[in-house]
Amino acid sequence: QQQVKQSPQSLIVQKGGISIINCAYENTAFDYFPWYQQFPGKGPALLIAIRPDVSEKKEGRFTISFNKSAKQFSLHIMDSQPGDSATYFCAASGGGTGNQFYFGTGTSLTVIP
Amino acid sequence: GAGVSQSPSNKVTEKGKDVELRCDPISGHTALYWYRQSLGQGLEFLIYFQGNSAPDKSGLPSDRFSAERTGGSVSTLTIQRTQQEDSAVYLCASSLMGPSYNEQFFGPGTRLTVL
Repeated sequence: QQQVKQSPQSLIVQKGGISIINCAYENTAFDYFPWYQQFPGKGPALLIAIRPDVSEKKEGRFTISFNKSAKQFSLHIMDSQPGDSATYFCAASGGGTGNQFYFGTGTSLTVIP
Repeated sequence: GAGVSQSPSNKVTEKGKDVELRCDPISGHTALYWYRQSLGQGLEFLIYFQGNSAPDKSGLPSDRFSAERTGGSVSTLTIQRTQQEDSAVYLCASSLMGPSYNEQFFGPGTRLTVL
């Protein structure tokens, strides 16, 4: 059973547009929800993370929206730039669920100039 | 002050050979993770080390896979009798502590190709 489901698999956005990536999770015990950004040939790097006690977290152009009742969270990239073109992974962990981070399958984002 | 390093960056081997992949975590980080990333896929958890505790090996796909962490620092992932389906990028990550609220810092990965 996949603990974290991510969509879409790929996304193409015009420069200046809004990119939205969605994730849904199964285990209500999770208490940490990070998003990672990965460029080709590099390891993933933490972009932004949220805890379930808040519904939104914003850092610059990146915002996480969190819906605890729906067990869903999403990443919004405002004013998307070509440099944002990368693969994005959501993840969930903690809350006594074990030692793993459960990752989504990734979204390949392409921002067209 | 460097980040997580992994070696080699690329490894090509023949089916049936053994390989060793190395990870140098960030100094002072007590938690270390190994993941496998297949083409177009997410990150598959393999193993977790936390301090001097027994490692969590629940993600290892078969008994051909093993890992150790010496002195709470450097870790080696060993794959014995490699198979073509083992071809993937193997990522190592470290964090200050365990999985809640602690950022994982990833290395650049080792790309393993089994011919």
